Amino acid sequence: RKEVEQDPGPFNVPEGATVAFNCTYSNSASQSFFWYRQDCRKEPKLLMSVYSSGNEDGRFTAQLNRASQYISLLIRDSKLSDSATYLCVVRGLGSGAGSYQLTFGKGTKLSVIP
Amino acid sequence: DGGITQSPKYLFRKEGQNVTLSCEQNLNHDAMYWYRQDPGQGLRLIYYSQIVNDFQKGDIAEGYSVSREKKESFPLTVTSAQKNPTAFYLCASRALSFNTGELFFGEGSRLTVL
Repeated sequence: RKEVEQDPGPFNVPEGATVAFNCTYSNSASQSFFWYRQDCRKEPKLLMSVYSSGNEDGRFTAQLNRASQYISLLIRDSKLSDSATYLCVVRGLGSGAGSYQLTFGKGTKLSVIP
Repeated sequence: DGGITQSPKYLFRKEGQNVTLSCEQNLNHDAMYWYRQDPGQGLRLIYYSQIVNDFQKGDIAEGYSVSREKKESFPLTVTSAQKNPTAFYLCASRALSFNTGELFFGEGSRLTVL
């Protein structure tokens, strides 16, 4: 099983649609979870952290299911500007730069169509 | 404005040549990282450093070298020993005082070996 697995997509959705991405991780001891957004040929940028209780930021909702080892990202009312690749990122145990080992998924590509 | 600056943005190199990618940050971050991204792939860690004059190998360090002579600077050298160096290289930094802190990325350097 891959460490962090995402559906590569592409997900082609019309403007205004709701779209959900899932990501599964293999290390049950993983500590922290994030969604990063990467525009075409650009650097990744943090979209949101994922908390155990779930969290929301405007049209974006992130959820964590530790028992099943997956996280999800829900985007409501999709905008053209949401078109990007969404990277699932998982952090392992420990502290300090060395053990701040982030494992990146390959990303899910989203295209929002007018 | 604070941030991370990578240069050059695009670089072409002949086989057998070494090349050095620059990464400078003015965020006062202790930890710095180099990642490599190939098309359709997740980010893979090359090297990281959490303090001046100290650095550690990541998952794919072979054929690469780094130095950390100043807190602000973490250059990466791609040597002729790297068998498949064509890729998108991303430098990142993080404040160690925040254990779950965000990774800030530079805009990346796109290396093509001719």
